[in-house]
Amino acid sequence: DVKVTQSSRYLVKRTGEKVFLECVQDMDHENMFWYRQDPGLGLRLIYFSYDVKMKEKGDIPEGYSVSREKKERFSLILESASTNQTSMYLCASSLELQGVDYGYTFGSGTRLTVV
Amino acid sequence: DAKTTQPTSMDCAEGRAANLPCNHSTISGNEYVYWYRQIHSQGPQYIIHGLKNNETNEMASLIITEDRKSSTLILPHATLRDTAVYYCISTKGAGSYQLTFGKGTKLSVIP
Repeated sequence: DVKVTQSSRYLVKRTGEKVFLECVQDMDHENMFWYRQDPGLGLRLIYFSYDVKMKEKGDIPEGYSVSREKKERFSLILESASTNQTSMYLCASSLELQGVDYGYTFGSGTRLTVV
Repeated sequence: DAKTTQPTSMDCAEGRAANLPCNHSTISGNEYVYWYRQIHSQGPQYIIHGLKNNETNEMASLIITEDRKSSTLILPHATLRDTAVYYCISTKGAGSYQLTFGKGTKLSVIP
């Protein structure tokens, strides 16, 4: 069964800390994505990547950066965590092969609280 | 990507078909319709997608109107485990394009 694994289910960090959220997929997918989900705002795209060492800004990249050194791993970095970054963070990967789209596979999410 | 409109919430009796509508009146010719669902405290799950033909898989059926301005997701025999938020998204292709999720329809399956 295909899998997207997020390293932590729950995380509590202090304001100003540098925070790393890790995401690993075992499906050899080219594309990986980071979203955050907040009540009333839905899912919003932070960053995405089409290939190793490649990254593109999504709708709300401010305060975040990403790293994709290996195909299977996509890390989200909060350079200096703030309370307004308290949220559920969701990682996803996807594959389009020979014109067939298999949709996104999401991880279970990391609920981050910044205090 | 075209904007989609869905009802905020719906109820369905267990064992009956759940029909979830979606309006995408501004969809362009090369945009697909995708459906995802999100069960509480989990990541969204892909259900089905289509361009203009009706589609069916082991989870659901997707009926797209001939003018492509609306579609309906059908869960043929809803169970309590189908209680979730269902998102209808139109996009040029989810494999290579980022998805924009709206607020979705909260489906409650009632015993």
